[in-house]
Amino acid sequence: EPEVTQTPSHQVTQMGQEVILRCVPISNHLYFYWYRQILGQKVEFLVSFYNNEISEKSEIFDDQFSVERPDGSNFTLKIRSTKLEDSAMYFCASSDGSGLRGYTFGSGTRLTVV
Amino acid sequence: AQTVTQSQPEMSVQEAETVTLSCTYDTSESNYYLFWYKQPPSRQMILVIRQEAYKQQNATENRFSVNFQKAAKSFSLKISDSQLGDTAMYFCAFMKYFGNEKLTFGTGTRLTIIP
Repeated sequence: EPEVTQTPSHQVTQMGQEVILRCVPISNHLYFYWYRQILGQKVEFLVSFYNNEISEKSEIFDDQFSVERPDGSNFTLKIRSTKLEDSAMYFCASSDGSGLRGYTFGSGTRLTVV
Repeated sequence: AQTVTQSQPEMSVQEAETVTLSCTYDTSESNYYLFWYKQPPSRQMILVIRQEAYKQQNATENRFSVNFQKAAKSFSLKISDSQLGDTAMYFCAFMKYFGNEKLTFGTGTRLTIIP
């Protein structure tokens, strides 16, 4: 079954550093998403991306965050200057736009800011 | 804006028993999708079951079934013949109808299956 691949699985970074989280969505999907889950809390929407532009973003997705699809396969989330409160699990997901099948989530990147 | 509420933070049940997880939601939309996702200790998000709001028939997937009450805005998950591998966090989620919309999640229910 097709998978969404996320790398790295765990990243530790110092406060103030830039991080890039990488995702390879399912190849025939057109809609891409990032979600965040702070430990022990619910999963929160960050941003959706379609046709090379942001479709929707949440209040969490401020100027420190950006997304990019630099080539035909990768989808990245960049955090410019990490803060302690950015420590969380970050999930990438992709969809073919059919709500019936929902999303396919990647296995997540655990980001730890120290 | 949509909200999803899961009022049971934790539940436990003996192996082979049946358990029901509750979910209510609030929306002004008439067409939408509802989902249950499972998050085992590995923290991966796994789709368990989905329901289209315009369908009256409750969805079933093997041991998993839902009780969808549209008027009451209720969407509970029933797990029959529970197995140790069912131990996980379970999240209820809402999506507006167009299918490329964001998911709105509840706060989750931690389910433990006791051997």
